[in-house]
Amino acid sequence: GAVVSQHPSWVICKSGTSVKIECRSLDFQATTMFWYRQFPKQSLMLMATSNEGSKATYEQGVEKDKFLINHASLTLSTLTVTSAHPEDSSFYICSAKRAGGFEAFFGQGTRLTVV
Amino acid sequence: AQSVTQLDSQVPVFEEAPVELRCNYSSSVSVYLFWYVQYPNQGLQLLLKYLSGSTLVKGINGFEAEFNKSQTSFHLRKPSVHISDTAEYFCAVSEGYGNKLVFGAGTILRVKS
Repeated sequence: GAVVSQHPSWVICKSGTSVKIECRSLDFQATTMFWYRQFPKQSLMLMATSNEGSKATYEQGVEKDKFLINHASLTLSTLTVTSAHPEDSSFYICSAKRAGGFEAFFGQGTRLTVV
Repeated sequence: AQSVTQLDSQVPVFEEAPVELRCNYSSSVSVYLFWYVQYPNQGLQLLLKYLSGSTLVKGINGFEAEFNKSQTSFHLRKPSVHISDTAEYFCAVSEGYGNKLVFGAGTILRVKS
């Protein structure tokens, strides 16, 4: 099966700093990657969709200047939470799809805590 | 717009008993349907998917689901659960390949001994 790896698995940062989360497809080329946020005891909410080499498409209500997404290669997408605040604390999960593929493969998630 | 409703937030069940986790969806077009499982502090693992063809879909770990177009449902079932099945289960819908997934709120399955 296809493997998607997220790094780091967990991170604690101070309020006002920026944090970068990486999402890598280890054994396939991911033309499309998705970033989700999951608050405690809630479902996954899609934040943005990124296609390799183009700008990400953000869902309504997601601040694109706060959540910077880069998909510069077919195996790597990054999510940068800029000027993080405690309300940004959440579980962030990425998923990746091959070109023409139906299935999205999920990373293991990143637990972000802003103090 | 698509939406997914998981009717039960928590389902307690004894080990070796059968279980059904319910999922209903709404969409104006044909959809693809998925069930994922999430263990604590982990990502999601695909259990099974319906794309087309037979409405009864078998997945991993002994799970199966049945697509019912007239009732717009995709309920997940397992005839005999194990303690290790304790996890949160998410139903999701996509309106086409390459499109985003819309998730239900999730159902926590608690298997008791």
